This record gives sequence, structure tokens and C-alpha cells, in this order.
Amino acid sequence: AQSVTQLDSHVSVSEGTPVLLRCNYSSSYSPSLFWYVQHPNKGLQLLLKYTSAATLVKGINGFEAEFKKSETSFHLTKPSAHMSDAAEYFCVVTSYNNNDMRFGAGTRLTVKP
Amino acid sequence: KAGVTQTPRYLIKTRGQQVTLSCSPISGHRSVSWYQQTPGQGLQFLFEYFSETQRNKGNFPGRFSGRQFSNSRSEMNVSTLELGDSALYLCASSRRGGPGHNEQFFGPGTRLTVL
Repeated sequence: AQSVTQLDSHVSVSEGTPVLLRCNYSSSYSPSLFWYVQHPNKGLQLLLKYTSAATLVKGINGFEAEFKKSETSFHLTKPSAHMSDAAEYFCVVTSYNNNDMRFGAGTRLTVKP
Repeated sequence: KAGVTQTPRYLIKTRGQQVTLSCSPISGHRSVSWYQQTPGQGLQFLFEYFSETQRNKGNFPGRFSGRQFSNSRSEMNVSTLELGDSALYLCASSRRGGPGHNEQFFGPGTRLTVL
């Protein structure tokens, strides 16, 4: 069984400051982990994924995430927030042999000018 | 290359009716997955089809069903609609494998309102 917990339902940052969106996971198997972003009235877009290769994963739009097995975490970071980053972010866990994706509850990111 | 398309984008039904949603995957993609997104339950996996066969299924009642055609297009059907079925239904496609290890591309969703 697997599950994912996004520790913050809402994060607010100022433009140009760092972004940290936290995600903890639970998995009985070697997990695959994803971060997706959803802008209003749009579908989800993949930001980055971890599938047992390098633990530091770089994604699109300057986002990156680090897989920490000892902490069962996969936090999403960005050095400098942009107004266009305002959206809902979802952390997702699954395993290579299990195609059932489990989504976190989402974190709404607000970027203040 | 065209993205994943879903039709209709918005739908209003009444309790007890049935509804069919359609999803056209990206050309060349053979796996189609369906998700339900609600404010209360968040995003939940419904099922995945690959080469016209249901390969994975989430924890939803039998009122939710789907199928996939030989051209990889997929339909999802919900019978005997309940108020709680009001949601955004998202479709996602990927090349070969399922959502576990392949990037999925999502459509914009169908917003279903049940009155």
C-alpha cells in the first residue's frame, strides 16, 4: 500500500523568494514519485519525476526535488518564485509494478508581488 | 502534436441519469487513465485502459465503467448518477506502460454537475 501526505495545504511566498512544498510518502515497494502542477481550469502538467535514478531531480520551470529515503520525503523547491508559479501542486506516489497512482491533497501556492 | 482532448468540457445532469465522457489520447499513446477530482476527496484514480483492456482499477463502485477502442480513444460511463458524482473528470494518456512509470499527459477535464 502507498500513500502521500502534503504537509501544507497552502503556501504563500513573495515573488523572487524561494519556494518549498513538502511531501512525505509511504510505500511498500520502491516508489516512483512525481510532482504535478495544475493551473486554474487546466489539466495537470508533470513538473518532475523520480524513478530510482538520481536522488536530486530537476524539472521544468526551475523546479527540483530531492528524494530522501531515510526521511521518506520528496520536497519540491525552486530558488526564486515567479508570479506564473501560482497554482495547485500535487505530489504523487506509485511503484513501478503498481500502476495505481496516489495523489496528495494538493498545496496551493500563492505568489505575492 | 495535439494534446489530450476531452469532450464535453461541461455537463449538467440530474440524479438517476447516466453520462458518457470521451477522451482522445495523444496520437501514438496506448494507455488511457481516468481520474476523479473533487474538493473533498481530491484526485482519485478510477481506472486505466491499455490496448482495449482494463489493466488497473481504483476503488470506485460498479456504476463507474469505461472502455477503450481500437484507436485508443476511451469513454467513461457513470450510471445512476448521484449528487456526489459532481466532479472534474480528468483523462490522461501515456505511451506504453501505465501511470506508475511513464509520464502521463492530462486533458483539461470534463466538469460534471449533478443536480
